[in-house]
Amino acid sequence: AQSVTQLDSHVSVSEGTPVLLRCNYSSSYSPSLFWYVQHPNKGLQLLLKYTSAATLVKGINGFEAEFKKSETSFHLTKPSAHMSDAAEYFCVVSGSSNTGKLIFGQGTTLQVKP
Amino acid sequence: DAGITQSPRHKVTETGTPVTLRCHQTENHRYMYWYRQDPGHGLRLIHYSYGVKDTDKGEVSDGYSVSRSKTEDFLLTLESATSSQTSVYFCAITDRGTDTQYFGPGTRLTVL
Repeated sequence: AQSVTQLDSHVSVSEGTPVLLRCNYSSSYSPSLFWYVQHPNKGLQLLLKYTSAATLVKGINGFEAEFKKSETSFHLTKPSAHMSDAAEYFCVVSGSSNTGKLIFGQGTTLQVKP
Repeated sequence: DAGITQSPRHKVTETGTPVTLRCHQTENHRYMYWYRQDPGHGLRLIHYSYGVKDTDKGEVSDGYSVSRSKTEDFLLTLESATSSQTSVYFCAITDRGTDTQYFGPGTRLTVL
C-alpha cells in the first residue's frame, strides 16, 4: 500500500531564508508524487509533480523538489522564502490503481516571519 | 481551476438532517472525487467516480453516498448528518491528459 509522511507539522522561517519541507513516501511501485499548496481559506493548487522523468522537479513560485528513491523522499525546497509563501503544503502520492486516487500527507504549515 | 464549482460553499445544518453537496465540472472529465479535509489528516478520499453511474468507495465512505447521473455532476449525500461530519469537503477531477488532479473551491459544512 502507498503512504506518505510529512515529517514536520509546522515550519517557521524568516523572510529571505531557505525553505525545506520534508516528505517521505512508501510505495510498492514507482509512484507519481505531488506537492500541493493551500493558502488560508482557499482551495488546493498544484505546485509541482514527479512522474519518473527528471528527479529534480521545478514548480511554480520558485519551489522545487528532488525525488530520491534510495531515501524514499520527496522534499520541497525554495532558496528564499517570501511572505506570500505562508500556507499549508501537502505531499501527495498516487494510489496503486489507475483510478487517479491520491493519498495525502498530513500537511505542513509554513509560517514566514518578517 | 479546471472549471470545477461546488455548491453550496457554506452550510450549517442540524444533526440528523440530510445534506447534499454538488460538484459540477465543465470539461467532460471522466474521473471525479470527493474528499474531506480535517486538521491533522490532510485530505481523505470519501468516494470517487470513473464514469456515469460508476462509483466506488474511498478511505472514509461510512455515512456518505454519491451519485453521478451525468458526466458533469457528482453529488455527495449525507443521509443523516452527524457532528463528526463537520468538515471542509473538496471535489476534484483528474485531467488524464496531464495526469493531474485539480480541486474545486471547497464546501465548509457545519453540523450542529
